[in-house]
Amino acid sequence: GAGVSQSPRYKVAKRGQDVALRCDPISGHVSLFWYQQALGQGPEFLTYFQNEAQLDKSGLPSDRFFAERPEGSVSTLKIQRTQQEDSAVYLCASSSSLPGLALRGTGELFFGEGSRLTVL
Amino acid sequence: QQPVQSPQAVILREGEDAVINCSSSKALYSVHWYRQKHGEAPVFLMILLKGGEQKGHEKISASFNEKKQQSSLYLTASQLSYSGTYFCGTEGNTGNQFYFGTGTSLTVIP
Repeated sequence: GAGVSQSPRYKVAKRGQDVALRCDPISGHVSLFWYQQALGQGPEFLTYFQNEAQLDKSGLPSDRFFAERPEGSVSTLKIQRTQQEDSAVYLCASSSSLPGLALRGTGELFFGEGSRLTVL
Repeated sequence: QQPVQSPQAVILREGEDAVINCSSSKALYSVHWYRQKHGEAPVFLMILLKGGEQKGHEKISASFNEKKQQSSLYLTASQLSYSGTYFCGTEGNTGNQFYFGTGTSLTVIP
């Protein structure tokens, strides 16, 4: 597609429910990142995929968070047994560049509009 | 590993200049700058590469001091459209992470 697409845009979950957030990156983009952004804060790194490989998941806050990108394009962030502290905007970003090799390509991250999760 | 930005917030009148600083605790290969308007996704402004190459934006420029692990964003003759939160971004230790700074809220008033 023309840009990074995320769905749903808004999700309200009751505490304890499982949620799945989808990210459709720009076609051909190798790199895909997930971020969590709480109100008034900066985006916090969650995880990174290079094609289908999840090369870093050090930012995932707990084992309730799980991400996948099975075919190297669409990615899903799943949160199990949601808690109130999970309420945030979840941003997905894709890039044609590889981290650590910023001299290749422009290095620009293209963000989706985010999925706003509210846990009641 | 999150970069620290200063100031946290700044209010300018249209036409005034501003400087936003970004400081990292680790060696940097590159520094990115993004702007996020309320309720919207961050938008790329520029990247500064080790060695001094800069890919820029009209009226917004930046510097990158590799030795000090710092970058500064310069906004000249600010316009109302410059309002938003500015984030610097840097790669993490392993090269498979990308961290955003603490953010600087910029408000331009008429």
